[in-house]
Amino acid sequence: GAVVSQHPSRVICKSGTSVKIECRSLDFQATTMFWYRQFPKQSLMLMATSNEGSKATYEQGVEKDKFLINHASLTLSTLTVTSAHPEDSSFYICSATEGSSNQPQHFGDGTRLSIL
Amino acid sequence: LAKTTQPISMDSYEGQEVNITCSHNNIATNDYITWYQQFPSQGPRFIIQGYKTKVTNEVASLFIPADRKSSTLSLPRVSLSDTAVYYCLVGARYNQGGKLIFGQGTELSVKP
Repeated sequence: GAVVSQHPSRVICKSGTSVKIECRSLDFQATTMFWYRQFPKQSLMLMATSNEGSKATYEQGVEKDKFLINHASLTLSTLTVTSAHPEDSSFYICSATEGSSNQPQHFGDGTRLSIL
Repeated sequence: LAKTTQPISMDSYEGQEVNITCSHNNIATNDYITWYQQFPSQGPRFIIQGYKTKVTNEVASLFIPADRKSSTLSLPRVSLSDTAVYYCLVGARYNQGGKLIFGQGTELSVKP
């Protein structure tokens, strides 16, 4: 079945560093990808919708300059956490959907980001 | 997007049938009901989706009454590996519109 790959699975870095997370659809073309954030013991919170070839749509309260999203191809979306701080530490998950397919969204296995 | 309400947690024992009910009073005519499973430090996995009556696949059944204001995910004969968080979502079918809003989820704990 369809697979969404997320990389890296875990990142530990110093405060002030920018971190890039990749989300790839491995066997299908994803016209739309979604980025979520999940804090411990909480549900997934949708951050933004990433559309190939156009600007991402951010949810209310999510800073677009802080969380840069690029969806340059039909199989790759990237999320860059700019100048990360300890409060940005979280579990980031992407999902992808195939344009006109009759398939549900597929999720990556997440990226655990820890900012020291 | 319709809001969903689920029990925060449930306990069960191996071999039992588990039924998790989700309330979605404001479901729209075009909305589908989808259930996802999430293990710790992993992304959610699709379990089942339905619109009305009953849907069954190899892992679960989904029961939806005529008024569609609630739904019940049924897991037959659970095992320890079914310990996870289960999310009920209401929204557009599959990728039409695409946006999924996750509620609190139900943390299922299966004991030996």
